[in-house]
Amino acid sequence: DGGITQSPKYLFRKEGQNVTLSCEQNLNHDAMYWYRQDPGQGLRLIYYSQIVNDFQKGDIAEGYSVSREKKESFPLTVTSAQKNPTAFYLCASSTASGGLSDTQYFGPGTRLTVL
Amino acid sequence: AQSVAQPEDQVNVAEGNPLTVKCTYSVSGNPYLFWYVQYPNRGLQFLLKYITGDNLVKGSYGFEAEFNKSQTSFHLKKPSALVSDSALYFCAVRGQYSSGSARQLTFGSGTQLTVLP
Repeated sequence: DGGITQSPKYLFRKEGQNVTLSCEQNLNHDAMYWYRQDPGQGLRLIYYSQIVNDFQKGDIAEGYSVSREKKESFPLTVTSAQKNPTAFYLCASSTASGGLSDTQYFGPGTRLTVL
Repeated sequence: AQSVAQPEDQVNVAEGNPLTVKCTYSVSGNPYLFWYVQYPNRGLQFLLKYITGDNLVKGSYGFEAEFNKSQTSFHLKKPSALVSDSALYFCAVRGQYSSGSARQLTFGSGTQLTVLP
């Protein structure tokens, strides 16, 4: 987990609210990623960014939005359009942009619960 | 499309015995394979990866993995299990000829390893 911080650790959201999850890294990595983890389903890619001011949709981007204004920061907004947002959200980063041998390193995660 | 299968949701092993966590994959071109471990309510920790070369890859905490191209497998192994190895293990893959979001890692569904004292 070292070098990548996520906040808050736990987050509760009322239906209809947008919430933003923070992800910061001090590893000087170019690429950053957001995953959603549900029990028994492994990790699914939401969005990824290979360089500042650019990002791409992953496999389950609907109902989510991101920004990449700074190299070290990649916040994720869970909008009210996301029908089932309760999950564990993981942020990751890697050294190079799209290198096949890149290792992704993960933050400690944010557990989001919809009330 | 690339995919990863971890056929066992749960693996139980006695402390001191060897352990194996299975992983098979399907990709376009040569595979780039990774193993991660996750402790409860924590992020994933990188254990090891296979890029090319020696089929036996050594990683952190005494773990190793064996790449078998003909069986498209990348099983995680440890000669002597510890109770502290109990955790959720994920295999991940990307393929040489993958494109778009598929060029990113595809994760298996995870295997819960329990080491019994």
